[in-house]
Amino acid sequence: KNEVEQSPQNLTAQEGEFITINCSYSVGISALHWLQQHPGGGIVSLFMLSSGKKKHGRLIATINIQEKHSSLHITASHPRDSAVYICAPLERNLIFGKGTKLSVKP
Amino acid sequence: NAGVTQTPKFQVLKTGQSMTLQCAQDMNHEYMSWYRQDPGMGLRLIHYSVGAGITDQGEVPNGYNVSRSTTEDFPLRLLSAAPSQTSVYFCASSYGGRNSPLHFGNGTRLTVT
Repeated sequence: KNEVEQSPQNLTAQEGEFITINCSYSVGISALHWLQQHPGGGIVSLFMLSSGKKKHGRLIATINIQEKHSSLHITASHPRDSAVYICAPLERNLIFGKGTKLSVKP
Repeated sequence: NAGVTQTPKFQVLKTGQSMTLQCAQDMNHEYMSWYRQDPGMGLRLIHYSVGAGITDQGEVPNGYNVSRSTTEDFPLRLLSAAPSQTSVYFCASSYGGRNSPLHFGNGTRLTVT
C-alpha cells in the first residue's frame, strides 16, 4: 500500500527556476515533516507543519489537511539545492515518502 | 555541540554475527528513533523511545533490539545478522516527540554477507 505519494520522482531544473514538489497521503494526520537528504546521505529537517504555510529563506511549505496534500516550493533554485526531498506525514508514527530527487543545473 | 552521533559509519558482517549500532545525542532530547533506508523505499521506523526506560516497536522491528538506559544513548542491536538487514541505518532525536523537528545522525551503512 502506498500511503504517501510524492511527485515528481525526479526533477531537473535550471538555476533560478521555481520548483514545486508535491506530497499526497491517504491517512489522517496531525502534522507533516519535510526533510532534505544531501547527496552525501545526511538528512536535515526543513519544516514541520500542521496547517497553512511556513517559509524559511527560499523554501516555502504548504499543507491542506482536509485535502491530504502538501507542497514544497523552492524559489530561485540553486545548484546547492540539489538533493532528495522527503515528505513524512505523522500518523501514529512518521510515514516516509520515497523522495523526490532534485537536480539543479547551473 | 555534536548533535546526534552514530557509530560506526560503515560495517560489514557475516550472516549470523551480532553487533550494536551506537547512537548518542547531547541535546537532552526525550524522543529517539531508529530507521532503515533501502533503495526504492522510504525510511522505515524500526524502534523508538519516548524517554529513558521506555521503548516501543516501529514498522520493521524483527531482528533488532533496543534499550534506553540513559537519555543520551539509544543503541540498536542486531541479534543474528541476515542479508536482508543490509541497509543504511539512521538514528534521529527530537525534543518533543514526533511532533517536533527531527535531528538525524549521519547514518551507518551496514552490509551483511
